[in-house]
Amino acid sequence: GQQVMQIPQYQHVQEGEDFTTYCNSSTTLSNIQWYKQRPGGHPVFLIQLVKSGEVKKQKRLTFQFGEAKKNSSLHITATQTTDVGTYFCAGDGGATNKLIFGTGTLLAVQP
Amino acid sequence: DTGVSQDPRHKITKRGQNVTFRCDPISEHNRLYWYRQTLGQGPEFLTYFQNEAQLEKSRLLSDRFSAERPKGSFSTLEIQRTEQGDSAMYLCASSHDGLNTEAFFGQGTRLTVV
Repeated sequence: GQQVMQIPQYQHVQEGEDFTTYCNSSTTLSNIQWYKQRPGGHPVFLIQLVKSGEVKKQKRLTFQFGEAKKNSSLHITATQTTDVGTYFCAGDGGATNKLIFGTGTLLAVQP
Repeated sequence: DTGVSQDPRHKITKRGQNVTFRCDPISEHNRLYWYRQTLGQGPEFLTYFQNEAQLEKSRLLSDRFSAERPKGSFSTLEIQRTEQGDSAMYLCASSHDGLNTEAFFGQGTRLTVV
């Protein structure tokens, strides 16, 4: 079945350092979405990418969708303590276009 | 309508009992998802509705799990003969269909099987 993997599983950075998480799908996706989940919370939507090679920016966050629409990345510039949480990619694909979540990357930011 | 709501927020049950959870999606959303999440893991897909039609159910899901969305609005997830391994957070999400499929999540129902 369709699988979505993320690396790394965990990243610990000093405040001000950059952070990147990578997402890889076993199948081609119609779109990729990114979510953030704070400890004790539920996933909250960040962004959706649809086009092959698409790049979108939200302030310090940069999202990319691969040319083959099977991988994606999220880059955070100059992390802040408010960036702490788990970042999930989610792929919308397969025969029924169900939304499958990646394994997640937990970001810890030390002040 | 302020968002997706789930009931109950917490449920403690004895092994072997049946439990039922409810999800009220955002009213204009026609997609509804159920996920299960355990500590340190991503949301695991359980099942998915488009309006009242159940389009897909995870092959990993035991026959003890069943979900309904009878009128294409709220949904219920039932777990029969609960086992300790069923302990998890059960998340419901809803979205539009079409180009923008941003999923809105409820607060979840935390199930503890003792």
